[in-house]
Amino acid sequence: GDSVTQMEGPVTLSEEACLTINCTYTATGYPSLFWYVQYPGEGLQLLLKATKADDKGSNKGFEATYRKETTSFHLEKGSVQVSDSAVYFCALNSGGSNYKLTFGKGTLLTVNP
Amino acid sequence: NAGVTQTPKFRVLKTGQSMTLLCAQDMNHEYMYWYRQDPGMGLRLIHYSVGEGTTAKGEVPDGYNVSRLKKQNFLLGLESAAPSQTSVYFCASSRFTDTQYFGPGTRLTVL
Repeated sequence: GDSVTQMEGPVTLSEEACLTINCTYTATGYPSLFWYVQYPGEGLQLLLKATKADDKGSNKGFEATYRKETTSFHLEKGSVQVSDSAVYFCALNSGGSNYKLTFGKGTLLTVNP
Repeated sequence: NAGVTQTPKFRVLKTGQSMTLLCAQDMNHEYMYWYRQDPGMGLRLIHYSVGEGTTAKGEVPDGYNVSRLKKQNFLLGLESAAPSQTSVYFCASSRFTDTQYFGPGTRLTVL
């Protein structure tokens, strides 16, 4: 079945440091890939997505590239801010008529001033 | 445009009590979902609906029931609450199998 594995946290960085959160997946078919972010006390918000191989999703300075050959969708940001402190979830949807989102367990990021 | 809203935000129940969580969306989405979020487990799908009047089981449906009498609303019921149902519950909606949009969550504690 479908599965998502993302690096375990917590991750603690200083402001302006570089961020990478690893995400790999196992899926049937041609999945769409997502990163969701959950700020403290809030619901999940879509951060970015990619729907086919080699697509790059980007938003708010975050980027992730859909790598079919390595089944990966790593989240990157060149310079993090305190306001980026949140839990980040990698997820996939197998596509076609499949409704289901499969989530990773989440990675807590804390950015210190 | 409020997106996805959930009622209530917090609730404390005693074991054996019942309650209903309400989810509403104003985006005219066909699909709606209920998830639970537990520490270290990510989000797990409880039930979902692909249209008004339809419901189906997800990964962890036991102890929950749902109804979708109107397209914009999706209700999650607990008939006899148990401590294992202490969790944060999220509702989501989507236009068919497109991106899912989430509500702010309901934090439920069962004593």
